[in-house]
Amino acid sequence: ILNVEQSPQSLHVQEGDSTNFTCSFPSSNFYALHWYRWETAKSPEALFVMTLNGDEKKKGRISATLNTKEGYSYLYIKGSQPEDSATYLCAFRSSNTGKLIFGQGTTLQVKP
Amino acid sequence: GAGVSQSPRYKVAKRGQDVALRCDPISGHVSLFWYQQALGQGPEFLTYFQNEAQLDKSGLPSDRFFAERPEGSVSTLKIQRTQQEDSAVYLCASSSHGTYNQPQHFGDGTRLSIL
Repeated sequence: ILNVEQSPQSLHVQEGDSTNFTCSFPSSNFYALHWYRWETAKSPEALFVMTLNGDEKKKGRISATLNTKEGYSYLYIKGSQPEDSATYLCAFRSSNTGKLIFGQGTTLQVKP
Repeated sequence: GAGVSQSPRYKVAKRGQDVALRCDPISGHVSLFWYQQALGQGPEFLTYFQNEAQLDKSGLPSDRFFAERPEGSVSTLKIQRTQQEDSAVYLCASSSHGTYNQPQHFGDGTRLSIL
């Protein structure tokens, strides 16, 4: 059974704080690791697709790192803003299947 | 529209009824995926298509669930003899042809409630 775990489950921070979450995934048969942001009443939005060990991607104040050998990825948000409030999902894709295995998500609440 | 479109947005059905959920992917997208999301959980894979071919249906929870994409564009997820445990958000996603490192583009989902 392929298991993807995210921590923490939820997070409350003040505006301006920097924060990070973790995604753990199987280290064998790795193909890609996806990050999505899911705001309430909207559809999940793709943030990053990461494929190479040591990869680091950045989009504005959000960045992500990838370690495929130990099976984890970190998502960082610098200077959180209220509009960053959402559930952040990671999803693992193994090399022998086309499907994504999602974690349960980290719900971030940024207070003004 | 340019995005993935799902209909209906909300569906309420009585236990035992059949339901059909529709997904219109982004034009030209070859791959189409269905997920089921229970409250407080991440999306769980149900099935996926490449064009009209259903390549993986390992996530369908029972033989009451059936999906099709007969012309390689619009897809329908059908649930027969619905049960209360089928209540969930059903998400559809599509991605462009190519290697598996393409992001998936999601619709807004259909929220299904079985009474």
